[in-house]
Amino acid sequence: DTAVSQTPKYLVTQMGNDKSIKCEQNLGHDTMYWYKQDSKKFLKIMFSYNNKELIINETVPNRFSPKSPDKAHLNLHINSLELGDSAVYFCASSQVPTGFTGELFFGEGSRLTVL
Amino acid sequence: DAKTTQPNSMESNEEEPVHLPCNHSTISGTDYIHWYRQLPSQGPEYVIHGLTSNVNNRMASLAIAEDRKSSTLILHRATLRDAAVYYCIPRGGYGGSQGNLIFGKGTKLSVKP
Repeated sequence: DTAVSQTPKYLVTQMGNDKSIKCEQNLGHDTMYWYKQDSKKFLKIMFSYNNKELIINETVPNRFSPKSPDKAHLNLHINSLELGDSAVYFCASSQVPTGFTGELFFGEGSRLTVL
Repeated sequence: DAKTTQPNSMESNEEEPVHLPCNHSTISGTDYIHWYRQLPSQGPEYVIHGLTSNVNNRMASLAIAEDRKSSTLILHRATLRDAAVYYCIPRGGYGGSQGNLIFGKGTKLSVKP
């Protein structure tokens, strides 16, 4: 069983469309994340949710909206897609006990191409 | 967030040890030093972490300088599968935004057969 799974793995779409990427983790973790890796391979955090509540929201356009229906799922919805949104998006999860930084488990990534 | 400096790239021969350095001179006293790696076309994966003492696990060893301003990830016998980008990441000792993983550019390790 895959610990952190993302769908779809590949997504090709036109500018202006709205798309979603889904993420599920079966590790029982409380915290989930979305990271973006651009064409220069920089990995940057976008959002972090702890027990369905948003705890980190880095400087991300409000066209990006994360949704966490339960603590095992964190979906990423993107409105009005732009060329610059083309990237690989990684979902991750961790269990973060107080006073310790837990290991992050990453999914395999979803490659979004905006034409 | 503590800044890190790593070589852009390193090369190794298969079955030889590899020492991957990282400078993190602005690290705070509560930051753990985490190492992750990203194999081609995959998500990052955890390698090892430590605070002050040297650490060993099945994947690697982590040697931390006494002043904590630098650390070295040691792969004892490199395999072709170890070819990846290795990230050294100081990370806050508590949850929330201080516990955030901030990735730098990392070191691209190539392993020659």
